[in-house]
Amino acid sequence: DADVTQTPRNRITKTGKRIMLECSQTKGHDRMYWYRQDPGLGLRLIYYSFDVKDINKGEISDGYSVSRQAQAKFSLSLESAIPNQTALYFCATSSGNQPQHFGDGTRLSIL
Amino acid sequence: QKEVEQNSGPLSVPEGAIASLNCTYSDRGSQSFFWYRQYSGKSPELIMSIYSNGDKEDGRFTAQLNKASQYVSLLIRDSQPSDSATYLCAVNPVGGSGTYKYIFGTGTRLKVLA
Repeated sequence: DADVTQTPRNRITKTGKRIMLECSQTKGHDRMYWYRQDPGLGLRLIYYSFDVKDINKGEISDGYSVSRQAQAKFSLSLESAIPNQTALYFCATSSGNQPQHFGDGTRLSIL
Repeated sequence: QKEVEQNSGPLSVPEGAIASLNCTYSDRGSQSFFWYRQYSGKSPELIMSIYSNGDKEDGRFTAQLNKASQYVSLLIRDSQPSDSATYLCAVNPVGGSGTYKYIFGTGTRLKVLA
């Protein structure tokens, strides 16, 4: 089983819909992150969390919200999806200064 | 100046050759450095971590770090077509528990020609 699991893997939805992407991990890491990746732009940080009561904005948080339901679970919501949020979304986890470990990603298309 | 810079490529090398990928970073206090491989449409996969100056070898991969010159490189020996991917350099500007930041470069696309 994957250490960092993202659901769904693919999602197609319409403008204005609310969408939730979920991430769970079995690595026991305290830190969790949400990124989006667009062609030519690399990975951009949306939100990150150091523990259950800690939520922080990244560089592109507008239009997104997150919830850290437990140490192992971190979900990303798009309250009212718009087409320019079409991207590949990754959840990652880490501990201390160790490298981040990524989930398999969610390919999100907003029509 | 970008915080982490990589040549976008593509870097084309023949099968069996050495591929050399380079990355420069701007924060002189950076402590942790990582190389990830990413196949198209897939997630980044950690290849190497390096924390101190010098070389670190793991199989066909060697990471090289020079903090004085602020660059980190990845050498892939005996390159194979399956090595064709985008390679991401990531830097953690400040070591220890007090920072969240992992700064990623935009990646270098490597093509290994059979």
